[in-house]
Amino acid sequence: DAGVTQSPTHLIKTRGQQVTLRCSPKSGHDTVSWYQQALGQGPQFIFQYYEEEERQRGNFPDRFSGHQFPNYSSELNVNALLLGDSALYLCASSPYSGPLSEQYFGPGTRLTVT
Amino acid sequence: AQSVTQPDIHITVSEGASLELRCNYSYGATPYLFWYVQSPGQGLQLLLKYFSGDTLVQGIKGFEAEFKRSQSSFNLRKPSVHWSDAAEYFCAVGARGGSQGNLIFGKGTKLSVKP
Repeated sequence: DAGVTQSPTHLIKTRGQQVTLRCSPKSGHDTVSWYQQALGQGPQFIFQYYEEEERQRGNFPDRFSGHQFPNYSSELNVNALLLGDSALYLCASSPYSGPLSEQYFGPGTRLTVT
Repeated sequence: AQSVTQPDIHITVSEGASLELRCNYSYGATPYLFWYVQSPGQGLQLLLKYFSGDTLVQGIKGFEAEFKRSQSSFNLRKPSVHWSDAAEYFCAVGARGGSQGNLIFGKGTKLSVKP
């Protein structure tokens, strides 16, 4: 059983560009959350998707947007990239079966903005 | 506002020695509490969690943690560290009544293990 997968593994972009990161949840999971982990910091919650809708959002600007597809996979889009967007972006999936089901994290996508 | 503090940025212990990683949280009520481990190039793996009940929680890989309401702490312990435990450890809090997605993480403690 494959766990959470993310693509690409690494990405280098230039300031002002746009980027799309992808996540496939663990089999049987229908809820996907995205986190940003800057160097030397803990992960910060960006948003969560369930039933193809954004259910909760952290303190991130509108430049960060997402999407969930009918197969539960998800995308994170970041527009007008800033140097400060350089980070490891983590995707986590969970079954929406209770208030705090265990979240399974993917290995992340390392985004570098130059 | 909820917050999590991990006072120790980096800890080095000898293999076979005991370990305690500190975590303090700020929250108006009893939160959900978690410890995750992150190895280089890997995602986060859940070690253990506390929701309610017994304040001493057992997790995977021989780890345990104790919830102390009076000290707002949830320290992680292991009686004998193995070289494979070298990694970064994150304490996290989740709000009761909130969505499962919104975990607040500390900045992490990097554990090095001396042979």
